[in-house]
Amino acid sequence: KQEVTQIPAALSVPEGENLVLNCSFTDSAIYNLQWFRQDPGKGLTSLLLIQSSQREQTSGRLNASLDKSSGRSTLYIAASQPGDSATYLCAVRQGNTGKLIFGQGTTLQVKP
Amino acid sequence: EAQVTQNPRYLITVTGKKLTVTCSQNMNHEYMSWYRQDPGLGLRQIYYSMNVEVTDKGDVPEGYKVSRKEKRNFPLILESPSPNQTSLYFCATKRGAEQFFGPGTRLTVL
Repeated sequence: KQEVTQIPAALSVPEGENLVLNCSFTDSAIYNLQWFRQDPGKGLTSLLLIQSSQREQTSGRLNASLDKSSGRSTLYIAASQPGDSATYLCAVRQGNTGKLIFGQGTTLQVKP
Repeated sequence: EAQVTQNPRYLITVTGKKLTVTCSQNMNHEYMSWYRQDPGLGLRQIYYSMNVEVTDKGDVPEGYKVSRKEKRNFPLILESPSPNQTSLYFCATKRGAEQFFGPGTRLTVL
């Protein structure tokens, strides 16, 4: 059974710092991995999608990497800003049902 | 604007009173699904639909029903809600490999 773990559960950093969020999964047979952002009381916003054949994806200040063989993904946020404060969720897709298996998330606080 | 909409956004109800949470998408996506989010348990899939008239159970389908009579709508039905169905519910669609989520419906069952 696939399990997705995100460490740390919470992170507080000063503005401007570069940071890395970690995601690990137990079964390497995945279709893809997707990173989401969730603001308090709001829905999920898709940040980056990495296909199983890809090593990384970039969007603006965000870079996500995938090492399928070791069951790990990282989300790198460059030059963090207070507006980046949110919960970041990673999710892996297995099989052809489209089901995503989510980690518990990392709650990020960027202090001005 | 491409979007997934859910209604209502907030609902407080009582045990046993049937309710429906609607989900609608304007992107002509074939795939739709429902998740619930609970503290400590994260997001778990309730039901999904690969296309019109095709639905299947996710990981936590007990106490829920769905229907997919047309592509744009995928309502979640709670025939007899119970307090353990108090949760934050999300509808999602998929375009290619990427999934998109609605704004969520916060349901409280007293």
